[in-house]
Amino acid sequence: QQQVKQSPQSLIVQKGGISIINCAYENTAFDYFPWYQQFPGKGPALLIAIRPDVSEKKEGRFTISFNKSAKQFSLHIMDSQPGDSATYFCAARNVKTSYDKVIFGPGTSLSVIP
Amino acid sequence: GAVVSQHPSWVICKSGTSVKIECRSLDFQATTMFWYRQFPKQSLMLMATSNEGSKATYEQGVEKDKFLINHASLTLSTLTVTSAHPEDSSFYICSAYRGMDTEAFFGQGTRLTVV
Repeated sequence: QQQVKQSPQSLIVQKGGISIINCAYENTAFDYFPWYQQFPGKGPALLIAIRPDVSEKKEGRFTISFNKSAKQFSLHIMDSQPGDSATYFCAARNVKTSYDKVIFGPGTSLSVIP
Repeated sequence: GAVVSQHPSWVICKSGTSVKIECRSLDFQATTMFWYRQFPKQSLMLMATSNEGSKATYEQGVEKDKFLINHASLTLSTLTVTSAHPEDSSFYICSAYRGMDTEAFFGQGTRLTVV
């Protein structure tokens, strides 16, 4: 029940295209859903996050869509650029339990080709 | 923004020796820090939760005698891999929360290679 599922495992998108990564969770106690971007040899960096009381959040080219009833959320990267090539992790956490651990999805390797 | 720094960034050690990795919160105090392990092309797996002034909480399957965690101050947690073996070679990452923030700040990771 602590698991976060993520698909696809890898994704190749042409420059300017839309990258879409999907995630699902089971634990309804999760109330905070961040997305992390990780480049090779680096730690993950927070990209964007959403709480379940919001159905969509947009920051620049990055948008999270959240479906609470389906327990699913997704990341859309508009106008994908080669610099977006990285591994993306969706994650979940229970913020009501202070300092609770972040549960990561298995990751999606994104390659944006020119 | 908050910064979490790990040292060293990479380390190579001989089998049977011990290696210490430091995780520091540079501009905030962290009562709780987390240690993750990441194998190539895999996700981050939580190893343990480090609590300042008390014993760490280890995830199931993680050997506490092998991965010693010390959170001696509000800005420093250390992970010591004891009697390291080649299968301990991995990317180790720490993270910390600043107070009641919802964001988890991650260190840059430490690449451990045991030869």
